[in-house]
Amino acid sequence: AQKITQTQPGMFVQEKEAVTLDCTYDTSDPSYGLFWYKQPSSGEMIFLIYQGSYDQQNATEGRYSLNFQKARKSANLVISASQLGDSAMYFCAMREGLGGGSQGNLIFGKGTKLSVKP
Amino acid sequence: NAGVMQNPRHLVRRRGQEARLRCSPMKGHSHVYWYRQLPEEGLKFMVYLQKENIIDESGMPKERFSAEFPKEGPSILRIQQVVRGDSAAYFCASSPWEGNTEAFFGQGTRLTVV
Repeated sequence: AQKITQTQPGMFVQEKEAVTLDCTYDTSDPSYGLFWYKQPSSGEMIFLIYQGSYDQQNATEGRYSLNFQKARKSANLVISASQLGDSAMYFCAMREGLGGGSQGNLIFGKGTKLSVKP
Repeated sequence: NAGVMQNPRHLVRRRGQEARLRCSPMKGHSHVYWYRQLPEEGLKFMVYLQKENIIDESGMPKERFSAEFPKEGPSILRIQQVVRGDSAAYFCASSPWEGNTEAFFGQGTRLTVV
């Protein structure tokens, strides 16, 4: 079974509008972390935002926010006021076992390609 | 404070040759992770190392692939007798401790096997 599922292979958004990228996860571990990374065409992996499973509030970082719905096991990324430079691949990832014994490796989804239209 | 440095950025090898990929973690980081990204895919975990120790190599192919992180110097991912299917982007990430809430990635090495 997929641990991280990103159901949108590609998304389009108009410049200056908001967009939501979907991510659902599967784990039986009570302690885990969820990450979003951006990969532009140049190829590097850029960390965007992190949400811990015990965090009470949704994480926010500038124009990025994470809509964390624990009961539904979803961790959608919301990008507000899209910019042309936001066009990239976006990956959702999970790290299990943060409570102890975690090896620390990340499990990635297949990604969503976001295209921002002028 | 330099980030995670990977070299080379691009590597072309003929089938049957060896590929050596290097990763210098961020200063003060003693945990290194290697990931592989096949075209149109997300990253897949390969191996987790601490200085002089392989902690978890569950994602590493059983043959031809090896990794090390010596006491001095960069971490090395070595692929012997490369085949076309090894063509991928290989990323290294480092963190200061196990289970850190953020892993810092290098820019990756793009291996092309011809």
